Amino acid sequence: AQRVTQPEKLLSVFKGAPVELKCNYSYSGSPELFWYVQYSRQRLQLLLRHISRESIKGFTADLNKGETSFHLKKPFAQEEDSAMYYCALSQKAAGNKLTFGGGTRVLVKP
Amino acid sequence: ETGVTQSPTHLIKTRGQQVTLRCSSQSGHNTVSWYQQALGQGPQFIFQYYREEENGRGNFPPRFSGLQFPNYSSELNVNALELDDSALYLCASSPPKGKGTEAFFGQGTRLTVV
Repeated sequence: AQRVTQPEKLLSVFKGAPVELKCNYSYSGSPELFWYVQYSRQRLQLLLRHISRESIKGFTADLNKGETSFHLKKPFAQEEDSAMYYCALSQKAAGNKLTFGGGTRVLVKP
Repeated sequence: ETGVTQSPTHLIKTRGQQVTLRCSSQSGHNTVSWYQQALGQGPQFIFQYYREEENGRGNFPPRFSGLQFPNYSSELNVNALELDDSALYLCASSPPKGKGTEAFFGQGTRLTVV
């Protein structure tokens, strides 16, 4: 069975400091990994996906198949990054059935 | 282009009752998925509908059922409500295969069972 683990419930950092959100997954096939974000009073939205290999809002995430991880990183956190972040996995070609982690709340202090 | 909309936004029901939640998919999307998000947890996949047929189901009992209509809107029905069904229910729509893999979420329906 597939599983996504986000070990940190809360990450509190100061503005300008680096932030790293951990995500580990277990899945025997070929997964597609995503990071979703939910800002206060907004709906859940896609931040980035591993196949795009892009940086969004200064965030990057690298899929490490050996360590089965997909950690999210940003070198300089901003106050507007304060939000709830969810790592999610889906089976390739399985029609976007997502398995989510429990989420990490990021609080960026001024 | 309209986004995913869900109704109602909030709902209170009594244990044992039945509830129907509604979702309008984003324009051009033919796949709808439903998720349950309990307080303090990540969303859990309930089931998905594609072209009016169920296309995958998570670990939820049969009293959770759904429908998709020809216009791709969808309903989630829950029978014999239990206290543990209290949660935020999210609907997500996705574009046709080959046109992207992103799931677009609605704002959710907050269900409270008392």
